[in-house]
Amino acid sequence: TAGITQAPTSQILAAGRSMTLRCTQDMRHNAMYWYRQDLGLGLRLIHYSNTAGTTGKGEVPDGYSVSRANTDDFPLTLASAVPSQTSVYFCASSPGERGDNEQFFGPGTRLTVL
Amino acid sequence: GQNIDQPTEMTATEGAIVQINCTYQTSGFNGLFWYQQHAGEAPTFLSYNVLDGLEEKGRFSSFLSRSKGYSYLLLKELQMKDSASYLCAVKDSNYQLIWGAGTKLIIKP
Repeated sequence: TAGITQAPTSQILAAGRSMTLRCTQDMRHNAMYWYRQDLGLGLRLIHYSNTAGTTGKGEVPDGYSVSRANTDDFPLTLASAVPSQTSVYFCASSPGERGDNEQFFGPGTRLTVL
Repeated sequence: GQNIDQPTEMTATEGAIVQINCTYQTSGFNGLFWYQQHAGEAPTFLSYNVLDGLEEKGRFSSFLSRSKGYSYLLLKELQMKDSASYLCAVKDSNYQLIWGAGTKLIIKP
């Protein structure tokens, strides 16, 4: 079982360009999440989806958009990248958002915006 | 605001015991999680506490005091492979995880 996959592994992007980070899970989990991780800071939630067809804003949603057309896929789009979006991006999923449901993380995408 | 505090870095010796503390102030509480993250890798789940007390799982134990807003992760019989960052996270009233910055644990032979 692949679990949760992300693509690309890493990317260098020119400022002002757009980019979509892909995330796919094969665990049939209802909830999915996008985080960014920066040195010295905790994981920060960008957007989430509690079930297919619904999305919500997290702590740092500005400059990012998501969609959840089906259970498996949860792409994250940067419409016009800026250097402050340089970060490691993790996608995660869980069976549900409540209770003791742990989150399973993908391997991450390292993004550099120049 | 919401806040999770944990030490930035700790050092311990192989075979010893180490306790990593976490204090939190959040809007609501729906459980506390500990994750392990090796350098360059994704976080992986270690433990979950929602009631006060100690949860033991092999060499790792996690303790929670809701009245004090406090948790700790106890690692026994330390091994070199335990060198990693340990992340404390609390589920708030909206069932979203609020994450601490992590504690980097360095194990020395």
